Order: sequence, then C-alpha cells, then structure tokens
Amino acid sequence: AQSVTQLGSHVSVSEGALVLLRCNYSSSVPPYLFWYVQYPNQGLQLLLKYTSAATLVKGINGFEAEFKKSETSFHLTKPSAHMSDAAEYFCAVSDAGGYNKLIFGAGTRLAVHP
Amino acid sequence: DAGVIQSPRHEVTEMGQEVTLRCKPISGHNSLFWYRQTMMRGLELLIYFNNNVPIDDSGMPEDRFSAKMPNASFSTLKIQPSEPRDSAVYFCASSPSTSGRPRETQYFGPGTRLLVL
Repeated sequence: AQSVTQLGSHVSVSEGALVLLRCNYSSSVPPYLFWYVQYPNQGLQLLLKYTSAATLVKGINGFEAEFKKSETSFHLTKPSAHMSDAAEYFCAVSDAGGYNKLIFGAGTRLAVHP
Repeated sequence: DAGVIQSPRHEVTEMGQEVTLRCKPISGHNSLFWYRQTMMRGLELLIYFNNNVPIDDSGMPEDRFSAKMPNASFSTLKIQPSEPRDSAVYFCASSPSTSGRPRETQYFGPGTRLLVL
C-alpha cells in the first residue's frame, strides 16, 4: 500500500530564509508525486508534480522539489520565504499502475515571520 | 474558467437531518473526486467517478453516505442521517483524465464546511 509521511506538522521560518518541507513516500510501484498548497479557507492548489521525467521539478511561486528514489523522498524547497507563503502544504502520491487516486500526507503548516 | 464550484460553502445542521453537498466540475473534465478533511484523519478520498460512473467508493464511511453524478456537470454527496462526527470540510475535485491517468492534476473546489450539532 502506498503512504506518505511529512516530517514536521509545523515549520516556522523567517522571511527571506530557506524553506524546506520534508516528504517521504512508500510505494511498491513507480510513483507519481505531488505537492499541493492550501491557503486558509480555500481548496488545494497544485504547486508541482513529478511524473517520471526530470527528477528536479520546478513549480509555481518559486518552489521546487527533487525526487530521490534511493531516499524515497520528495522534499519541497524555496530559497527565500515570503510572508505570502504561509499556508498548509500537502505531499501526495499516486499509483502509476492505477488511476489518479491521491494518498495525502498529514500536511505541514508553514509560518513565516518578519 | 470558473474552476470547480461547490455549494453551499457552509452548512450547519442538527443531528439526524439530511445534508446534500453539491459540486460542478470544470467543464470538459471526466474525473470527479469527493474528499473529506478533518483534523484527526486529514484528507481522505471518499469516492471517485470517471465519465459519471462511480469507480471507487471504498472510502465512503458507511451507508449513511451516498454520492451521485447524474451528468458530466453535476455531482452530489448526501449524508442521511447526519451525525456530529460527520463535521468536516468536504472537497470536490476534478481532473481532465478520460481514463484516470495517475499523472493528471486534480483541481479542487473551495470546499463545504459542514457542522453537525
């Protein structure tokens, strides 16, 4: 069975600092991996996705993630945090052998302080 | 495009009442998903439709929950009778996949916040 683990339910950074949100997955088949962002009282919005092309994936708002098969990881990074990045971030995995059923991690709430 | 539309945005009801949540997917999208989000359980897939046909309803918690998709532009999620533990945010999402390709992006609606007293 597939699963996703997000390390750290809350992450706090200073404005301008590096953002690193961790995601590890478990999958018996080649996975597709997604990062979604949820702003307060809104639905989820796709940041980026890995679909077995380039292992370094660039997304919206300056975010990127690197797929590392040996580490079963797909960590999300942004070089310089902005106040508007404060939100909840979800990592999700989809089974490449099935339909696009997403298994979500528990989420990481990112706080950005001045 | 208007995106995925959900109604109502907020619903407060009393235990035992019937609740109907509505979703209009993005035009041209063939796959539709209903999710539930709670603090305790996170985001859970309830049911998945492809071309208006329910494909996977293994996440539907119990017989009190039912979902329909009578046409490509409308879906409902009904809870009857409702219970306090059903309080959650319910999201509808759609994707353009005609065959449920796993790489497809899902586009989420703003959600319906349900409170059952």
